Amino acid sequence: AQKVTQTQTSISVMEKTTVTMDCVYETQDSSYFLFWYKQTASGEIVFLIRQDSYKKENATVGHYSLNFQKPKSSIGLIITATQIEDSAVYFCAMREGTSSGQKLVFGQGTILKVYL
Amino acid sequence: DMKVTQMPRYLIKRMGENVLLECGQDMSHETMYWYRQDPGLGLQLIYISYDVDSNSEGDIPKGYRVSRKKREHFSLILDSAKTNQTSVYFCASSKGQGFERLFFGHGTKLSVL
Repeated sequence: AQKVTQTQTSISVMEKTTVTMDCVYETQDSSYFLFWYKQTASGEIVFLIRQDSYKKENATVGHYSLNFQKPKSSIGLIITATQIEDSAVYFCAMREGTSSGQKLVFGQGTILKVYL
Repeated sequence: DMKVTQMPRYLIKRMGENVLLECGQDMSHETMYWYRQDPGLGLQLIYISYDVDSNSEGDIPKGYRVSRKKREHFSLILDSAKTNQTSVYFCASSKGQGFERLFFGHGTKLSVL
């Protein structure tokens, strides 16, 4: 069965620095899709970025990028030049390509606090 | 306007009462989901719907059932609610076969007393 684990419960960083949030996953499929979502203080959950397992190049969107290490089953989220408004809970998620229906399984989340 | 709408936003019920949570989306997405969120557990999948009347259990379906009679509308029903079903419930939708990003509603905070 698929599983997603985020071991960092909470991270605090100074504004304008770079932060990396870790995520490891377990899957039996050779093809899968990895996502990061952000939950703001208001509770809203928004999609940030996606990595397809068959792509070697790390995905990048704005000041979000991914560190995809397939042999380690790891997909880290990197936020550069952090801003106060990046303070939120970040969730890693995985969708297997062929098995498990279309389930998107989430990790436990990492709380990011950005301070001045 | 791409939107997933959940009603109500807040709900208080007594143990044993029936609960209906409603979700609508205006994107004609085939796939819809119900998740619950509890502290420290992230988002847990309750049910997934692939299209009208095509529903499948997620990881924690016990105590819940769903209904999807129109593509744009997906309901979560709790028959005889229990106190351990107090949680925040999120509805989401995605295009096609679920490989695409999810769009989430704002959530319904349910308290079962």
